[in-house]
Amino acid sequence: GAVVSQHPSRVICKSGTSVKIECRSLDFQATTMFWYRQFPKQSLMLMATSNEGSKATYEQGVEKDKFLINHASLTLSTLTVTSAHPEDSSFYICSASSWTYSNQPQHFGDGTRLSIL
Amino acid sequence: AQSVTQLGSHVSVSEGALVLLRCNYSSSVPPYLFWYVQYPNQGLQLLLKYTSAATLVKGINGFEAEFKKSETSFHLTKPSAHMSDAAEYFCAVSVGSGNTPLVFGKGTRLSVIA
Repeated sequence: GAVVSQHPSRVICKSGTSVKIECRSLDFQATTMFWYRQFPKQSLMLMATSNEGSKATYEQGVEKDKFLINHASLTLSTLTVTSAHPEDSSFYICSASSWTYSNQPQHFGDGTRLSIL
Repeated sequence: AQSVTQLGSHVSVSEGALVLLRCNYSSSVPPYLFWYVQYPNQGLQLLLKYTSAATLVKGINGFEAEFKKSETSFHLTKPSAHMSDAAEYFCAVSVGSGNTPLVFGKGTRLSVIA
C-alpha cells in the first residue's frame, strides 16, 4: 500500500530556531499534501493544503510566514516552522493523496513531535 | 461546511465486550466518511471508509461501521474488544475522497480492561 514517510519523528530545540519537517510519498506521486496540527489530547486541525508546483493554501488563522510550506516535487513537501516558540510545540502530521488515485483516501505520515524549549 | 461530532471523549470496555464509538456528521453535500485509529505518538491508520457504496462498511481488525443518512451517523463497532484495540479513534468527513481535506472529530479514547 501507499507509504508516507515523515521526518524527523521528534525534534527538541531552543526558542528562536527554525525547524524543517519533511513529508515524502515513497511509492506514489502525491499531487496534494495536507499538513495538520494536533495539540495534546485534541483533534487534528488542518493547517494548509499543498499542491505540487503551486503555493500552499492556508487555513484561516494559520500564519503563512510562520509556517512555510514547499511542495516542489511530486514526492516531497516540507513544513518549516520559522523562529519557533514554545507555543508552536505540537504534533504535526502530514498526509498525501494523488489525482491518479483520487478515489483512495489520504495516507498519513507518522507525525513529528515538536518541542520548543 | 462539514463537521463531525464524536460522542464521548473516553470509552472503556472490558476485553471481549462490544465496542461502540459514536460519530455524527454534518455535511451540505453527500459525505465521504472515515474512521482512523491513532496509537500514541504515531500517525493515523485508516480503519474503514464510506464513499457512497454499501452502507455497512467493513474495515480492518474486525471493525465495521454503518452509514445511516436519516440519523446522520457513522458509528464504529466491533463485536469483541481486544487489548490491542486501546487507542484514540477519530471520525472524519470530507466532500471528496483523496484530494480534499478531512474534517476530524475530537476523537474518542478507547480503553480496554482485562
